[in-house]
Amino acid sequence: DTAVSQTPKYLVTQMGNDKSIKCEQNLGHDTMYWYKQDSKKFLKIMFSYNNKELIINETVPNRFSPKSPDKAHLNLHINSLELGDSAVYFCASSKRDRGPSEQYFGPGTRLTVT
Amino acid sequence: AQSVTQLGSHVSVSEGALVLLRCNYSSSVPPYLFWYVQYPNQGLQLLLKYTSAATLVKGINGFEAEFKKSETSFHLTKPSAHMSDAAEYFCAVSDLYNFNKFYFGSGTKLNVKP
Repeated sequence: DTAVSQTPKYLVTQMGNDKSIKCEQNLGHDTMYWYKQDSKKFLKIMFSYNNKELIINETVPNRFSPKSPDKAHLNLHINSLELGDSAVYFCASSKRDRGPSEQYFGPGTRLTVT
Repeated sequence: AQSVTQLGSHVSVSEGALVLLRCNYSSSVPPYLFWYVQYPNQGLQLLLKYTSAATLVKGINGFEAEFKKSETSFHLTKPSAHMSDAAEYFCAVSDLYNFNKFYFGSGTKLNVKP
């Protein structure tokens, strides 16, 4: 059973389009994340939700909008795609704890904007 | 904000040789530190974590890391490299005020030669 799953795995689209990436976790975790990994493998957090509430919102263009319909799902919608949005996007989840707990990552969605 | 620096974007070792991947952190107080591994076309997987208990932390697949406050380091080691260890390794530190927020290093690609 896949713990953190993302769809689609690959996404190729043209500049100006709007696209969504979906994420689901079956671990019973309270917290979910979106990360962006650029071509140099640098991994940066974008957003985090805890029980459907936004708790981390980094400096990300407002073309990016996360949505959490329930605590097992966190989707990422991107409007007006630009060439610089090309990257691998990772979803992750973790359980709520007093200290930092392990984040479980999905397999990633490779987005290519042409 | 906290940060981690990984020295050496590429490390190459022979099978059976010692693996040493370097990570230095910057933080005003001892932070929580993590090592993750990323195999090609996959998400990140936790190797080990330091949470202010024992300074020598043992992880999966024979890896371990030692927290050294005086050197602000958390280097990852493995006594004997195996071909299956070839992957990208990331050091991460959690934010002191928001445990859910991780800052990742730029990664070190480990190549294992037969």
